[in-house]
Amino acid sequence: DIQMTQSPSSLSASVGDTVTITCRASQTINSYLHWYQQKPGKAPKILIYAASNLESGVPSRFSGTGSGSDFTLTISSLQPEDFATYYCQQSYDSPLTFGGGTKVEIQ
Amino acid sequence: QVQLQESGPGLVKPSETLSLTCNVSGGYISGNYWTWIRQSPGKGLEWIGYVFYNGITNYNPSFKSRVTISVDTSKNEFSLKLSSVTAADTAVYYCARRQGNRWFDPWGQGTLVTVSS
Repeated sequence: DIQMTQSPSSLSASVGDTVTITCRASQTINSYLHWYQQKPGKAPKILIYAASNLESGVPSRFSGTGSGSDFTLTISSLQPEDFATYYCQQSYDSPLTFGGGTKVEIQ
Repeated sequence: QVQLQESGPGLVKPSETLSLTCNVSGGYISGNYWTWIRQSPGKGLEWIGYVFYNGITNYNPSFKSRVTISVDTSKNEFSLKLSSVTAADTAVYYCARRQGNRWFDPWGQGTLVTVSS
């Protein structure tokens, strides 16, 4: 199975900050990497698909970069509604696997 | 827009079979892949498997011997059966639609299933 490692596991930030979350795959996955946001008690919601494509309706302050095995999710000018847990997911190979999550908390 | 809703028992006894159904509204089940994912504190998000509208399935080997995912196009719903459950199967179970290069959107709200006697 392809292991997905996210870092950090949690971070504290303030409104207006720029936040970067990293996801590393245990092998190359090309651009088959997707990012989700999950708020407490809710299902995950797709933010970025195929490494860098912004899902329709998602604010442009979210961006994704990377290919191969190293990927980043950047949130520019953090807003109050962005405090949540973020997950990466690879779809290069079955079984599809998720990272362990990064919790973004209010500083 | 497509919406998904999980339903099924919230409590299952150890060694029994967990059965959940996902109803798809606002769109047709045909032409798409449909998936089950679960989330537990211990194991995070785990992909269980998916079914194509024609019944073709792909399962996570971690569940393969215990899982069956099926589809009923006449009811616009698909189902999950997980046999021989233990406490480790306690989780929130989500249904979702598989998109393009195998990301998931939308998701159902999730349903908590507890395995306990």
